[in-house]
Amino acid sequence: QKEVEQNSGPLSVPEGAIASLNCTYSDRVSQSFFWYRQYSGKSPELIMSIYSNGDKEDGRFTAQLNKASQYVSLLIRDSQPSDSATYLCAGIISGTYKYIFGTGTRLKVLA
Amino acid sequence: GAVVSQHPSWVICKSGTSVKIECRSLDFQATTMFWYRQFPKQSLMLMATSNEGSKATYEQGVEKDKFLINHASLTLSTLTVTSAHPEDSSFYICSAAPTSGPYEQYFGPGTRLTVT
Repeated sequence: QKEVEQNSGPLSVPEGAIASLNCTYSDRVSQSFFWYRQYSGKSPELIMSIYSNGDKEDGRFTAQLNKASQYVSLLIRDSQPSDSATYLCAGIISGTYKYIFGTGTRLKVLA
Repeated sequence: GAVVSQHPSWVICKSGTSVKIECRSLDFQATTMFWYRQFPKQSLMLMATSNEGSKATYEQGVEKDKFLINHASLTLSTLTVTSAHPEDSSFYICSAAPTSGPYEQYFGPGTRLTVT
């Protein structure tokens, strides 16, 4: 199993819908997670971090962490065409500060 | 806040030459900076971890003599690609972790290196 796994997509959703992005992780990854958005040709931009079991909301974004299932997700409400990008899930390798990234999920929001 | 700059944003060099990339944290101090490489349609791969005042730690498979990293201050790290070859062409991205909260990394805008 890869340390951090994501479906590469593309995930297509209509404008205004909820986009749900998912990520699973292995035992080698500690339970601190980060969601980044990356536009083509640009560097990643931090959207949210989540450290505790449960939900964390910030504007249109909600991150969810389920430690028992080793699963972390990002929900984007009222999706906009400008949300079209690749979303990267990152976890921290246990005992370090180093990130390990998933391969990213490409999201397309259709106008 | 939490702004990281990189310079240059793109560079074209000839095979065999060396290229230096600078990474600066503009509004915070960063004990640790990281250097990543990203090939087209792939995710970010960590190359090395850079700590201020000490030697960088390189990931397996990354040649430390080829990718020289210096972290001279709490706001500046540099990556020098020595004797560059076309296969070194990639998108190089640095990140910085604030001293106050080392788990969150803030990324620079990246440097696109093309070796001809």
